[in-house]
Order: sequence, then C-alpha cells, then structure tokens
Amino acid sequence: AQKVTQAQTEISVVEKEDVTLDCVYETRDTTYYLFWYKQPPSGELVFLIRRNSFDEQNEISGRYSWNFQKSTSSFNFTITASQVVDSAVYFCALMDGSSNTGKLIFGQGTTLQVKP
Amino acid sequence: DTGVSQDPRHKITKRGQNVTFRCDPISEHNRLYWYRQTLGQGPEFLTYFQNEAQLEKSRLLSDRFSAERPKGSFSTLEIQRTEQGDSAMYLCASSLPQGSLNTEAFFGQGTRLTVV
Repeated sequence: AQKVTQAQTEISVVEKEDVTLDCVYETRDTTYYLFWYKQPPSGELVFLIRRNSFDEQNEISGRYSWNFQKSTSSFNFTITASQVVDSAVYFCALMDGSSNTGKLIFGQGTTLQVKP
Repeated sequence: DTGVSQDPRHKITKRGQNVTFRCDPISEHNRLYWYRQTLGQGPEFLTYFQNEAQLEKSRLLSDRFSAERPKGSFSTLEIQRTEQGDSAMYLCASSLPQGSLNTEAFFGQGTRLTVV
C-alpha cells in the first residue's frame, strides 16, 4: 500500500528562522514521483516541486530546498530565512509510476506559522 | 488561461438536497481529477478523467456521487441526497498526459460544501 506521513502537524517559527518539514513515504513501486504543494488560506494547492524516484539529487530554489533520501524513504523540505508569507499548510504527495493515472496520495499536511 | 477554475467557491445546502459543482481545467490538459479534503486532512482522490472517459473511481465515491466530463473539457461533480458527512472542500485538478515533460497537477481553489 502507498502512504505518506507528515508527522509534524503544526510548526511555529519566528521570521528569518530556518524550518524543515518532514515527509516519509511508503511504496512498493520502483518508479514513483514525490511532490510538495503549498496551500495558503485561499485554498488553492500550489505546486512547488516534483522529484522522480531515480533522481536523488537535492534541489534548491531560492529559499526552498529539498532533500530526497531513498534509504530512509524521506523527502524533506527546508525553508531558509522564513517569511510571514510562507505561512500555509504544506503537503507532501506520492504518485506511483506504474498505474498511469497520475493520482496523488497526500500526507496529512503540516501547518507552518511564521510570526513576525 | 489563468488556471483551473471551480464554481461555486462556497455552497451551503440542507441535508437531503442535491448539489452540483463545476470545474474548468487548463485548456490543454486532458486529465482531470476530483479530490475531497476534510478539515485537517490532506486531499483524497475521488475520480479521474482522461478526456471524456472516467477511468478510475475511488471507493470513497459512493453511489450518491456522480461525475461527468461530457466533451472532455469542463467537468461536473454531483452529490445527491447530501449528508452532513459530505461537508468538505472539493478540489479539482488537471494535468498533461503521463509521459509529458511536466505532468504535475494544477489545482483549483476548491468548492467548500457545508451540509446543514
């Protein structure tokens, strides 16, 4: 069975602090994709990153970075120098590469609050 | 094309009434998804269309739920005889076909349903 676990329900930091959001996944597929989405109060899920199972290179995009480790089935997300605008719910998601449906299995989400 | 559009944004209905939601995907996307998100949880997959064909339905989609995508463009999700447990955010997403360079799903802002 496929599963995504985001153990941190809520995180609160002060602006300019670094924060890491954890994501652990389970799948039996050898080909799969991992995603992070941001959900601001408006409700729309905003795509942040996609990573396929064969690419373990870490990625940096501005203040955002992602650490993918197959050995621990983790795909963690770090925000450096957090800002108030980063406050949102963040979801990690898994898509298997074999079914061809493209459906996503989401974690429960981590609510990040960045205080000024 | 500004993204995935959903209508209405909010719907309050009495238990037992029927409701219908609409989703307009990004125009070049042939895949369309419906998800349901309850408070404090991640989105859960309901159903998926490729063009006008409904190719997969979740067990969450009881016989009171029906989705259509008649011309392979917009989609509707109807809930008959609504129950209080149907109260949730209903999210629509669209994507390019598997195998395309960028297959990430783009989400609409959702329809928040409250059944009283």
